[in-house]
Amino acid sequence: QVQLQESGPGLMKPSGTLSLTCAVSGGSISSSIWWSWVRQPPGKGLEWIGEIYHSGSTNYNPSLKSRVTISVDKSKNQFSLKLSSVTAADTAVYYCARLSLTTSYSFDPWGQGTLVTVSS
Amino acid sequence: DIQMTQSPSSLSASVGDRVTITCRTSQSINYYLNWYQQKPGKAPKLLIYAASSLQSGVPSRFSGSGSGTDFTLTISSLQPEDFATYYCQQSYNARTFGQGTKVEVK
Repeated sequence: QVQLQESGPGLMKPSGTLSLTCAVSGGSISSSIWWSWVRQPPGKGLEWIGEIYHSGSTNYNPSLKSRVTISVDKSKNQFSLKLSSVTAADTAVYYCARLSLTTSYSFDPWGQGTLVTVSS
Repeated sequence: DIQMTQSPSSLSASVGDRVTITCRTSQSINYYLNWYQQKPGKAPKLLIYAASSLQSGVPSRFSGSGSGTDFTLTISSLQPEDFATYYCQQSYNARTFGQGTKVEVK
């Protein structure tokens, strides 16, 4: 059974670049599946950030597209998120998730999430 | 962009109640609508996919219906573990979530 685990710094300064990694276990990242990032500001709703296929094809939320890069490392069975020029508004719990074609492009499973706080 | 309108934003209910949450989209998304449950401090959990298909392991008291622009999540008999926040999500064009519905104890 596939499991996902996010990792990365929990605190960062404004204007920096947020970098997170999602390690995939129990399955290959090269499966015919998209891999996604979703975030949730404290006390607020869910926001899709973007997704990547194992071939490297990506789709991004238009509202974040200019600042987001998602990449995949097949040798390590993991994928990564970079978000540049962060501000306090980027403070959120960041989740990685598998986007499954067989269940109508739904997110399942999810990682446990990692809180990233942007503060000077 | 496809806009999602989820209602109500919150509701109060008792154990055993029938609960209905609606999700409306700004354009037709056929059946590309999924529902999630989220408890505090936890990741969302997939309940329903493709508008009406029950995810494996999810209790049968949860059901989904609808197509096009109007969708419904129903909990037939609310259980103590069902107090949570519920989100709809469209996967027809990119991915968008509804604003969430918090189900609270009455």
